[in-house]
Amino acid sequence: AQSVTQLDSQVPVFEEAPVELRCNYSSSVSVYLFWYVQYPNQGLQLLLKYLSGSTLVKGINGFEAEFNKSQTSFHLRKPSVHISDTAEYFCAVPRDNYGQNFVFGPGTRLSVLP
Amino acid sequence: ETGVTQTPRHLVMGMTNKKSLKCEQHLGHNAMYWYKQSAKKPLELMFVYSLEERVENNSVPSRFSPECPNSSHLFLHLHTLQPEDSALYLCASSQESRSNEQYFGPGTRLTVT
Repeated sequence: AQSVTQLDSQVPVFEEAPVELRCNYSSSVSVYLFWYVQYPNQGLQLLLKYLSGSTLVKGINGFEAEFNKSQTSFHLRKPSVHISDTAEYFCAVPRDNYGQNFVFGPGTRLSVLP
Repeated sequence: ETGVTQTPRHLVMGMTNKKSLKCEQHLGHNAMYWYKQSAKKPLELMFVYSLEERVENNSVPSRFSPECPNSSHLFLHLHTLQPEDSALYLCASSQESRSNEQYFGPGTRLTVT
């Protein structure tokens, strides 16, 4: 069965510092990987996704993620965070080879401090 | 309106009430979803509709009843809820494919008193 682990439930970081949010997955099907962000009082929004090709994926708002098959990881990074990046971040994988249901990780709350 | 909209944004209801949550997508997608998001718990998929047909019901209690009258609208009918049903209910839509992301609405914050 597919699963997603996000080891850090909370990550505090100072403004303009770099950040890495970790995601590890377990998948027995072709791997597609997604990162979503949820700002306060809003729904989830896609940050980026990996389908194939280059293992370094660039997304919105200056975020990027690197797919590492050998380590079954898809960590999210940003070189310099802003206060507005404070949000909950979710890693997700498709649940199976059919349809389009996701398995979501438990989320990492990023708090950017002034 | 663009994207996925949900109404109401906030709802307080007693355990004996009946209410409905509404979701509308303006993206031309063919699949719609209901999720429950509770504090300290992972996102829970409740129902999936594909081409207006319910294709998944993840052991959700019968006090939650979904309805999908067409590909643009999705409802969640609520009756005799319990306090533990208090949560953020998110609707999403997608063009059904493993490679396509889901688009989420802003959610309805439900409080059961």
